[in-house]
Amino acid sequence: EDQVTQSPEALRLQEGESSSLNCSYTVSGLRGLFWYRQDPGKGPEFLFTLYSAGEEKEKERLKATLTKKESFLHITAPKPEDSATYLCAVQGSSNTGKLIFGQGTTLQVKP
Amino acid sequence: NAGVTQTPKFQVLKTGQSMTLQCAQDMNHNSMYWYRQDPGMGLRLIYYSASEGTTDKGEVPNGYNVSRLNKREFSLRLESAAPSQTSVYFCASRFPSGRGLAKNIQYFGAGTRLSVL
Repeated sequence: EDQVTQSPEALRLQEGESSSLNCSYTVSGLRGLFWYRQDPGKGPEFLFTLYSAGEEKEKERLKATLTKKESFLHITAPKPEDSATYLCAVQGSSNTGKLIFGQGTTLQVKP
Repeated sequence: NAGVTQTPKFQVLKTGQSMTLQCAQDMNHNSMYWYRQDPGMGLRLIYYSASEGTTDKGEVPNGYNVSRLNKREFSLRLESAAPSQTSVYFCASRFPSGRGLAKNIQYFGAGTRLSVL
């Protein structure tokens, strides 16, 4: 059964304090791993997609990496505006596009 | 270009009432999805439509029905609402697979917040 587990559930950082969010997954035939950002009261906003182990993507202070068992979202020198819930999802071998989501990590960055 | 639009944004129902959540996308996407989001549970797939004219059950379909009205619109219906259906509902659409860098990405609407009393 496809499964995604994110850790930690919640993370509090001081502005400028770098850290990483973890996404562990089990899936048959990974078609893609997706990171989304969700602000309170809004829908998930796409950040990155990774397709194969060893792949990395960067956007501003965020960097996503992928291995065969997990993905990390590294946040370098975060700012208060980076506060949000970060969601990880995987798409398995089916071509229907169905995503399996983790529970999310809620990040709070204090000034 | 509005992306994915959901209506209504908020709704309160009494147990046993029915309602339809509307979703429309203007990105010419083939596939559309309905999810529900509950605290500590993440997003769970209710129903999806891989292409116009087809619909399939997801992880938690009980108590729901869907209609893919045309390529743009995908509605979710609660025939007899129950308190367990209190949740935030998200609609998403997907860029056709195989189209370069954008393949398989799902884009989400702002959600419908539903309370069933």
